[in-house]
Amino acid sequence: NAGVTQTPKFQVLKTGQSMTLQCAQDMNHNSMYWYRQDPGMGLRLIYYSASEGTTDKGEVPNGYNVSRLNKREFSLRLESAAPSQTSVYFCAGRTANTEAFFGQGTRLTVV
Amino acid sequence: AQRVTQPEKLLSVFKGAPVELKCNYSYSGSPELFWYVQYSRQRLQLLLRHISRESIKGFTADLNKGETSFHLKKPFAQEEDSAMYYCALRDQGGKLIFGQGTELSVKP
Repeated sequence: NAGVTQTPKFQVLKTGQSMTLQCAQDMNHNSMYWYRQDPGMGLRLIYYSASEGTTDKGEVPNGYNVSRLNKREFSLRLESAAPSQTSVYFCAGRTANTEAFFGQGTRLTVV
Repeated sequence: AQRVTQPEKLLSVFKGAPVELKCNYSYSGSPELFWYVQYSRQRLQLLLRHISRESIKGFTADLNKGETSFHLKKPFAQEEDSAMYYCALRDQGGKLIFGQGTELSVKP
């Protein structure tokens, strides 16, 4: 049982490059989330998806787009990476009345 | 707008001392509150939630609606409690908001 799986685990990008962070879950979660974790800032919500086919902005959506491809997958795209997007990114999934389960994180560096 | 505030970035105590990690929230509706923990190099995991009113690893947290607080307490800290602790609020729309986190360091 893999749970919530993020790929890649590490990535280095040059400013202006684009990339997609992948997240897949096999726990039948309805809701899925993308966060970024920065020192002193905690976890900040980028986007979330309450159910398949819906997405909503969180606290810090600028510079990101998301796709809830199906119930299992929720991807985060950076169209033109900036150094300010250097962070650790976490995906999470949750079903009603249960806890959120997190992926292991993606450490992204933009140079 | 909903907000979760953890005023302490770092809390350092000695083994056996009591611990209280503070969490305050602002939300106009009925929130669901959680504490998550992240041990070194591990993913975040749920520690406890207010609706369960349970004690996990000796930790407890009581929701105080009057003070809009959900402080995490443990009477006797252990070295293995050293970790990052995050307070979180889930609103009625399903959004899950976290605080800034408190790093707990328990010294021998």
